[in-house]
Amino acid sequence: EDKVVQSPLSLVVHEGDTVTLNCSYEVTNFRSLLWYKQEKKAPTFLFMLTSSGIEKKSGRLSSILDKKELFSILNITATQTGDSAVYLCAVEFGNTGKLIFGQGTTLQVKP
Amino acid sequence: DAGVTQSPTHLIKTRGQQVTLRCSPKSGHDTVSWYQQALGQGPQFIFQYYEEEERQRGNFPDRFSGHQFPNYSSELNVNALLLGDSALYLCASSFGGSAYEQYFGPGTRLTVT
Repeated sequence: EDKVVQSPLSLVVHEGDTVTLNCSYEVTNFRSLLWYKQEKKAPTFLFMLTSSGIEKKSGRLSSILDKKELFSILNITATQTGDSAVYLCAVEFGNTGKLIFGQGTTLQVKP
Repeated sequence: DAGVTQSPTHLIKTRGQQVTLRCSPKSGHDTVSWYQQALGQGPQFIFQYYEEEERQRGNFPDRFSGHQFPNYSSELNVNALLLGDSALYLCASSFGGSAYEQYFGPGTRLTVT
């Protein structure tokens, strides 16, 4: 059965800390891995990764994919209270647009 | 440029009833996917519509059905509602059936009592 597992499920840090969120997957016909941030309702797109070892960066956020070990990490440096959210990892099944999501990591950043 | 819109925002129904949720994709997008997100869980794929046809389907019973209109908007219908259908229903749109630049709408919160 195809599955995506995220860890930790929840995390509490203080402003300025660096966090690493993990995502492992077992998906047949892998095409891409995506990260989303969900604050209230609509998940917002962060990164799409298709190739191993190539880091994607956007400001304080970065992500990398390891297709051999079947995992990805999302790093957030110098965290701010506005980073508090649920971070979702999803794998695209084939060239279908169908996303298989993990259960999410809830990040709380305290002032 | 309007993003993905969904209606209604909230809905309360009774067990056994039927419900219809609506989604308008982002301008320029032709593919609509529906997801169910239970509290504390990640979204689960229900199905995808492209060119007015159901292209992909997740592990959901036939009580869940949908439709896509020529203007690419979509409806999700759920019959014979169960308490376990209570969830946030998310619609996502993209172009050409890809997950690339798949934008999500704000969702419809369905409560079944």
